[in-house]
Amino acid sequence: AQSVTQLGSHVSVSEGALVLLRCNYSSSVPPYLFWYVQYPNQGLQLLLKYTSAATLVKGINGFEAEFKKSETSFHLTKPSAHMSDAAEYFCAVSRGGADGLTFGKGTHLIIQP
Amino acid sequence: KAGVTQTPRYLIKTRGQQVTLSCSPISGHRSVSWYQQTPGQGLQFLFEYFSETQRNKGNFPGRFSGRQFSNSRSEMNVSTLELGDSALYLCASSLGGGGPATGNEQFFGPGTRLTVL
Repeated sequence: AQSVTQLGSHVSVSEGALVLLRCNYSSSVPPYLFWYVQYPNQGLQLLLKYTSAATLVKGINGFEAEFKKSETSFHLTKPSAHMSDAAEYFCAVSRGGADGLTFGKGTHLIIQP
Repeated sequence: KAGVTQTPRYLIKTRGQQVTLSCSPISGHRSVSWYQQTPGQGLQFLFEYFSETQRNKGNFPGRFSGRQFSNSRSEMNVSTLELGDSALYLCASSLGGGGPATGNEQFFGPGTRLTVL
């Protein structure tokens, strides 16, 4: 079964600093990978997705992620954090089977002024 | 274009009751998926519907069921509620027949927060 591991349930960075949220997946075949963001009392919004077209994926709000098959990773980065980036971030994988999306436990991003 | 809408937004029920949640997908979207979000288990896939047929199902007991209508609107039902069913239930729709299994983007609604007392 596929799984997703997000390292760090909470990550704190200073405003203007680099944001790095880690995601590792377990899959026997190349997956589809997604990053979603969730603000309080709201649903999930797609930041970006990997579907094998390019290993470096650019998303909304200045976020990007790099697919590294050898490391089974899909880490999310943003060069300069803004206060508005404070939210819960979820990495998800779909292997094209009958499991729908499998989500990681989420990482709560805290932005320090 | 309107987003995914879910009704009601908040619901309080007691153990043993049943509940029905509703989801209206984005116009033109035919795939609807449901997820349960809890602090302990995180986000878990419940089921996916396409053209009124359940295509995929997660690992949940039979008390959880759903259906999709010809206009793509979907409902999910939970019978004999348990305390552990308290959660945020999210609905997501996607354009095209593949749903999440083929990498199609899913658009999420704001969720229905169910509290079971």
